[in-house]
Amino acid sequence: QQPVQSPQAVILREGEDAVINCSSSKALYSVHWYRQKHGEAPVFLMILLKGGEQKGHDKISASFNEKKQQSSLYLTASQLSYSGTYFCGTEAGNTPLVFGKGTRLSVIA
Amino acid sequence: DTGVSQDPRHKITKRGQNVTFRCDPISEHNRLYWYRQTLGQGPEFLTYFQNEAQLEKSRLLSDRFSAERPKGSFSTLEIQRTEQGDSAMYLCASSLAARTDTQYFGPGTRLTVL
Repeated sequence: QQPVQSPQAVILREGEDAVINCSSSKALYSVHWYRQKHGEAPVFLMILLKGGEQKGHDKISASFNEKKQQSSLYLTASQLSYSGTYFCGTEAGNTPLVFGKGTRLSVIA
Repeated sequence: DTGVSQDPRHKITKRGQNVTFRCDPISEHNRLYWYRQTLGQGPEFLTYFQNEAQLEKSRLLSDRFSAERPKGSFSTLEIQRTEQGDSAMYLCASSLAARTDTQYFGPGTRLTVL
């Protein structure tokens, strides 16, 4: 079942923060986050496994709340290069990744 | 380190024609995935291989679609008797062996069926 992402779109000014959420009705084993720029392939950001761990690199981090079956992606002090569509892919049991519809992020100067 | 490559990058065909796409994964990756992506949607899983074995196929993959990975290296995806609804970006991804391993995507093949 496809995870639900929110918001569908967000516009930020450089330096502002954003949170993108990904929710599933299924018990998840892992959540994968990708960013895709227009006309390009999705680029991997991070994987979170069940256990509620939080990961991050640079100014992008994510958490996984196993009880709520929800993951959140945190972008702090956004840069123009953060613009793109962010997808979460969820895995429940021994099943292929199911991707959400994406959150379109636009960072403006 | 070369990434995942796909060929061709763009394909325009007429309805009813057959098309074949190729994917070359990262060399040490055992798993290879095919996805389809349409405008405003995330990638939709089509099928995946563990080495040369095709382990799972989505119900999206009608009998007009077939995929192979003959020697566990590159893979081909063929669509027979194309329909306008097949127009989409076809993405290939590869990963190491475990299901939680990162999938690295290729640039995709954009198919337009006229």
